[in-house]
Amino acid sequence: DVKVTQSSRYLVKRTGEKVFLECVQDMDHENMFWYRQDPGLGLRLIYFSYDVKMKEKGDIPEGYSVSREKKERFSLILESASTNQTSMYLCASSTNGLAGYNEQFFGPGTRLTVL
Amino acid sequence: DAKTTQPPSMDCAEGRAANLPCNHSTISGNEYVYWYRQIHSQGPQYIIHGLKNNETNEMASLIITEDRKSSTLILPHATLRDTAVYYCIVREGGSGNTGKLIFGQGTTLQVKP
Repeated sequence: DVKVTQSSRYLVKRTGEKVFLECVQDMDHENMFWYRQDPGLGLRLIYFSYDVKMKEKGDIPEGYSVSREKKERFSLILESASTNQTSMYLCASSTNGLAGYNEQFFGPGTRLTVL
Repeated sequence: DAKTTQPPSMDCAEGRAANLPCNHSTISGNEYVYWYRQIHSQGPQYIIHGLKNNETNEMASLIITEDRKSSTLILPHATLRDTAVYYCIVREGGSGNTGKLIFGQGTTLQVKP
């Protein structure tokens, strides 16, 4: 089974802190994604990566950056955390779609609270 | 990617079949229909996908109309653990596709004893 793990289930940080959220997948997937989920707004894509060292902005990249130095690991970075970044963060991975389809597999999520 | 329309909520009795509808009237020929669900406080879980033909796996069945403008996800014997938000997504397949998904609001399925 595909496994996507995230470094923390719950995290509490202070405004202005630099925050790292780590995601690791064990299925050799090419694509990896970071979403945030907020009540009433659903899942929104922050950034995605289709290869090592490659990244693309999603719908809401402001205030975030990402790093993908190894294929299995995709990190989300909040350079200076703010209270409006309090949210559930979800990581996902998928194949590159050569088979014609590529379902995403999600991690359990990290609930980040910024005080 | 085509947009989808789902009812905001549905109820189902435990042990009965749950039929979740989805309209995707603007779907194009190379777009797949995907279903995911999200149980409270967990990440979304892939359920099933299809292109033209009906599909079945250990979790559910997917019925796609002949014109592909709508589909129905069927959970044959719903249990309390199937209570979740169910998302219907249509997206282009093919190599080089980044796999980006656009999640709508989904259908909240409440399975009742």
